[in-house]
Amino acid sequence: QSALTQPASVSGSPRQSITISCSGTSSDVGSDNLVSWYQQHPGKAPKLMIYEGSKRPSGVSNRFSGSKSGNTASLTISGLQAEDEADYYCCSYAGSSSLLFGGGTKLTVL
Amino acid sequence: QVQLVQSAAEVKRPGASVKVSCKASGYTFTSNTISWVRQAPGQGLEWMGWISPYNGNTNYAQNLQGRVTMTTDTSTSTAYMELRSLKSDDTAVYYCARESLYCSGGSCSGNYAFDIWGQGTMVTVSS
Repeated sequence: QSALTQPASVSGSPRQSITISCSGTSSDVGSDNLVSWYQQHPGKAPKLMIYEGSKRPSGVSNRFSGSKSGNTASLTISGLQAEDEADYYCCSYAGSSSLLFGGGTKLTVL
Repeated sequence: QVQLVQSAAEVKRPGASVKVSCKASGYTFTSNTISWVRQAPGQGLEWMGWISPYNGNTNYAQNLQGRVTMTTDTSTSTAYMELRSLKSDDTAVYYCARESLYCSGGSCSGNYAFDIWGQGTMVTVSS
């Protein structure tokens, strides 16, 4: 299975909003609402930001939101802050109890 | 607090095996599956497979079938991942991660998201 498709990089200025897309197929992203998103700072373990497509774990800022349309999931970060600069990965259930990650997106806060 | 603590970094020769441990604390070990995820230097995340500490059931990524084995020891709340016939492109940081649970109507099931991660174990394969 190929990785889910994410843009290699996105950028935005403080206080702006950005959206990161995650494209898959009807067998993974489009099959169910089991997409999660992770934030990873350099040298650190990933951190869960969104699960089940649009739900936020306790403690995650409401500036982070998730959505899905067809075979594409999206992560939107509003009110960009310097500490949001990190790599972001989507992950989807891909059938037969397996999972698939996206290739990752590097977010730069200008 | 809930945490996963992994074993120290390893350096291995090509063709050797490596076994990484992941000790859980702060929750009931058998309630959640544990997945292993690896990240080659400068690359993205790759899901390797999962194990249920409750019944020992496993599911491995197709590209690792036959080379990887995941086990648990419920007496010590520890999960293990063994990778055999190591190659240079197995050089990566290996993470264990706990699958979060979705609970409704008194029953809970996994939701294919990872809410707790270990700190990572660097495995270097080099001759």
